[in-house]
This record gives sequence, C-alpha cells and structure tokens, in this order.
Amino acid sequence: GAVVSQHPSWVICKSGTSVKIECRSLDFQATTMFWYRQFPKQSLMLMATSNEGSKATYEQGVEKDKFLINHASLTLSTLTVTSAHPEDSSFYICSARELAGAYEQYFGPGTRLTVT
Amino acid sequence: LAKTTQPISMDSYEGQEVNITCSHNNIATNDYITWYQQFPSQGPRFIIQGYKTKVTNEVASLFIPADRKSSTLSLPRVSLSDTAVYYCLVGDGAYKYIFGTGTRLKVLA
Repeated sequence: GAVVSQHPSWVICKSGTSVKIECRSLDFQATTMFWYRQFPKQSLMLMATSNEGSKATYEQGVEKDKFLINHASLTLSTLTVTSAHPEDSSFYICSARELAGAYEQYFGPGTRLTVT
Repeated sequence: LAKTTQPISMDSYEGQEVNITCSHNNIATNDYITWYQQFPSQGPRFIIQGYKTKVTNEVASLFIPADRKSSTLSLPRVSLSDTAVYYCLVGDGAYKYIFGTGTRLKVLA
C-alpha cells in the first residue's frame, strides 16, 4: 500500500528558531499534499494544501509567512515553522494524494514539535 | 465541502459489535465516504471507503443508505486495541478534507 513518511518524528527546538518537517510519499507520486496540525485531545485542523510546483494554499487564520510550505517534487513537501514559539508546539501531520488512482489520501505518522 | 456529524464518544465491551454512524446531509454526487482510525500520537489510518450500499473488508463494514446522507461504520467483535478515535470524512480525495470531531471509542474489558 501507499506509504507516507515524515521526518523527524519528533523535534524539540528553542523559541525563536526555525524547524523544517519533511513529508515524503515513498512508493507513489503525489501532486497534492496536505498539512494538518493537531492539539491534544482535538481533531486535525487543515493548515494548507500543497501542490507540486506551485504555491501552497493556506486555510483562513494560518500565517503563510510563519508556516512556509514547499512542494518541490512529486514525492516531497516540506513545512518550515519559522521563529517558533511555545504555542506552535503541536502534532503536525501530512497527507498525500496519488497522482492517479482511487480518491484516497494517505497520512504520514506525524511529527511532534515541542518549542521550549 | 460536506460537513460531517458523529457522536463524540462511545463505550463498548470486548467482543461486541460497534456501529458508529456519521451524518453528512450535503454530500455531493462525486463524494466518497472514508473512515479513518487514529491512535494517540499517530497519523490517521485508512479503514474503509465506499460510495453507496455496503462495503466490507477484513477489518470493517461500511453501510451507506440510498440517499447517502449518512453512513455507518461497523466494527465486528472489537478488542481493547480498537480503542481509538474514528473519523468519517466525505470528499473526492482530490480536494481537502475537513475533519470533524471524530468519535472516541473506548473498548472495555
């Protein structure tokens, strides 16, 4: 089956620094990837939709200058949290949709970000 | 985008069948219904997907009535390891999914 990986699985960074999270589709090509954020005991919240070769589309209320998304290839999208603050601490999850095939999104395992 | 409504939580005992119903009144013609399972600190895991009538796989069944305004995920003979949050999503997969509250299932011994 289709596999999506994320790296790192967890990261701790200091307030004011930036951190990059990678999302890779391992055995399929993904024209579209999605980034979600999930706080404890809450549902997933869509942050942005990332399309290969074009600018990401951000959901209302998500700061595009703070959460930089790059989808440079059909197998890789990155989310960079710039100038991270403790309130950015969360669980970040990506998903990817196959270039062709059934209408299904495949989710990554998530990345736990803790900002101290 | 079709909005979904599910019960916030459910409790069940091991060995019982669990049915979780999802309401999606404004489902579009092209939309599929997909259910995901999520354990703490993990990404959602695909369970089952359907368009109409009944779909069954090795872990669950999905029942969709003719009007498609609701769907029911059926988990046969649940075990403690089925304790998780279950999300019903509606869409064609090509576009964004909006997650609802999900249903927090707790399986008791």
